[in-house]
Amino acid sequence: NAGVTQTPKFQVLKTGQSMTLQCAQDMNHNSMYWYRQDPGMGLRLIYYSASEGTTDKGEVPNGYNVSRLNKREFSLRLESAAPSQTSVYFCASSELNTGELFFGEGSRLTVL
Amino acid sequence: GENVEQHPSTLSVQEGDSAVIKCTYSDSASNYFPWYKQELGKGPQLIIDIRSNVGEKKDQRIAVTLNKTAKHFSLHITETQPEDSAVYFCAAQGSNYQLIWGAGTKLIIKP
Repeated sequence: NAGVTQTPKFQVLKTGQSMTLQCAQDMNHNSMYWYRQDPGMGLRLIYYSASEGTTDKGEVPNGYNVSRLNKREFSLRLESAAPSQTSVYFCASSELNTGELFFGEGSRLTVL
Repeated sequence: GENVEQHPSTLSVQEGDSAVIKCTYSDSASNYFPWYKQELGKGPQLIIDIRSNVGEKKDQRIAVTLNKTAKHFSLHITETQPEDSAVYFCAAQGSNYQLIWGAGTKLIIKP
């Protein structure tokens, strides 16, 4: 039982490049989330999808887009990467919008 | 909107002693307060949570207390062990049901 799987685990980009972070969960959860984690700032919500077919902005959505491809998969896209987007990104899922979050192991992104 | 402050940022305790981490929140409408543990290189994992209709909840060596009047909640770990070393995050559920997180506490257990 894999839980929440994120790819890639590490990525280095140059300013202006684009990339997509992939996330898949095998727990049949309805809700999925993308967070970023920066030193001394805890976790900040970028976007979330309360259920298949819906997406909503979180605290820090600027510079990102998301796609809820199906119930299992939720991707995060950086169209034009900036150094301020250097961070560790976590995908999470939950059965309900208000329940326990299950996290992936994170994707470390560096933008030069 | 909701704001969560967490203290201390680093806590070092002797193995076997107790550890206490405190959080305060700003939105009096918040009613769900989870605590997550993050080990090095992994994602956070829920260890205990509390809802506003109770004041305290225990699970073996871990307990959480909630004071809604003062808008603060605390994590208590008793008889600390080396495997308790990690970063701990508190969170509070905001008005759109999403969690607002504290900045984290690095707990170091000294042998």
